[in-house]
Amino acid sequence: RKEVEQDPGPFNVPEGATVAFNCTYSNSASQSFFWYRQDCRKEPKLLMSVYSSGNEDGRFTAQLNRASQYISLLIRDSKLSDSATYLCVVAGSARQLTFGSGTQLTVLP
Amino acid sequence: EPEVTQTPSHQVTQMGQEVILRCVPISNHLYFYWYRQILGQKVEFLVSFYNNEISEKSEIFDDQFSVERPDGSNFTLKIRSTKLEDSAMYFCASSDRSQGSPLHFGNGTRLTVT
Repeated sequence: RKEVEQDPGPFNVPEGATVAFNCTYSNSASQSFFWYRQDCRKEPKLLMSVYSSGNEDGRFTAQLNRASQYISLLIRDSKLSDSATYLCVVAGSARQLTFGSGTQLTVLP
Repeated sequence: EPEVTQTPSHQVTQMGQEVILRCVPISNHLYFYWYRQILGQKVEFLVSFYNNEISEKSEIFDDQFSVERPDGSNFTLKIRSTKLEDSAMYFCASSDRSQGSPLHFGNGTRLTVT
């Protein structure tokens, strides 16, 4: 089983749509969880941390289910600028980040 | 907003040559990292560095790789005797002392080995 597994996509959605990404992780001792976004040939940029209680940042909502080892990201009212690859990232106690392969999103006009 | 900066943005080298990739982490950060991303593949951990020593390294980080913090600001990755398969984007990252704090990545160095 991959350490961090994501829907590979691609997801092609119209502007204004709501889209959800899922991620599962294999290490039950994982302690920190993040969503990063990566534009083509650019560095990963932090989108948001993911907390056990779930958290929201504007149009973005992240959820964590430790029992199921599952993380999700919901994007509401998607914009053209949301087009990117979304990376599910998990960290253990050593702060080493393990990246998923990413889910590609294209928002269409 | 403080940034992690990397130089050069693109490095072309011949197989067998040594390269040094340079990074300036965010100034108050204490933990430093190198990651790489082969074109079309996922971001992979190479090494973490804290208190002037390697704290963790992956299987990728073999004897051809080394890291150094030669002064108070720079953090370097050296690859001795580069191979074709070392061609990738190399990302430097740093984080502060907080457990669970995210990593901040530099804009990367694209290494092309010919």
